[in-house]
Amino acid sequence: AQSVSQHNHHVILSEAASLELGCNYSYGGTVNLFWYVQYPGQHLQLLLKYFSGDPLVKGIKGFEAEFIKSKFSFNLRKPSVQWSDTAEYFCAVKANTNAGKSTFGDGTTLTVKP
Amino acid sequence: EAGVAQSPRYKIIEKRQSVAFWCNPISGHATLYWYQQILGQGPKLLIQFQNNGVVDDSQLPKDRFSAERLKGVDSTLKIQPAKLEDSAVYLCASKVAPDMETQYFGPGTRLLVL
Repeated sequence: AQSVSQHNHHVILSEAASLELGCNYSYGGTVNLFWYVQYPGQHLQLLLKYFSGDPLVKGIKGFEAEFIKSKFSFNLRKPSVQWSDTAEYFCAVKANTNAGKSTFGDGTTLTVKP
Repeated sequence: EAGVAQSPRYKIIEKRQSVAFWCNPISGHATLYWYQQILGQGPKLLIQFQNNGVVDDSQLPKDRFSAERLKGVDSTLKIQPAKLEDSAVYLCASKVAPDMETQYFGPGTRLLVL
């Protein structure tokens, strides 16, 4: 069975600070990896994804994540956060099969102080 | 394009009562998911449909939960009878096909069981 661990439950940063949210997964096979974001009062939406190829993937709004296979990690980064990045962030892993289901971490709440 | 629609948005019931949730996926999306998100946790898959067939219901508590997607379009999720621990947000998501990358989430139904 696959599992996902997000290390930080709540992160508080000031605007312009750099962000890194940790995500580690457990699964023995090939995986697809995702970061989702949920802004206050909005739906869950996809921020970025990794399926294959370049392990450094770029998403919307200046976010990026790096897949490190040897560490089973897929950490999310942003060099300079904005107040509008305040949201909850979820990492998810999916076995790379047609029937593979997504397993989500418990989320990290990011609060950016203006 | 229109997003995933869910209703009701909020529901309060007493334990042992029944409740039903409705989801209308994005037009043309063959794959539909129901997730349960308990406060402080990430979404947990309850059931996955491909058209009107069930692909995965391994985490659905079948003694009290049921779901159907009779015509392969909209879907209902029912809980009968509800327990206190069923208090959660129930999310519906859809995507074009199982091997497509992105699933789109609806706004969710927030259930409170008293």
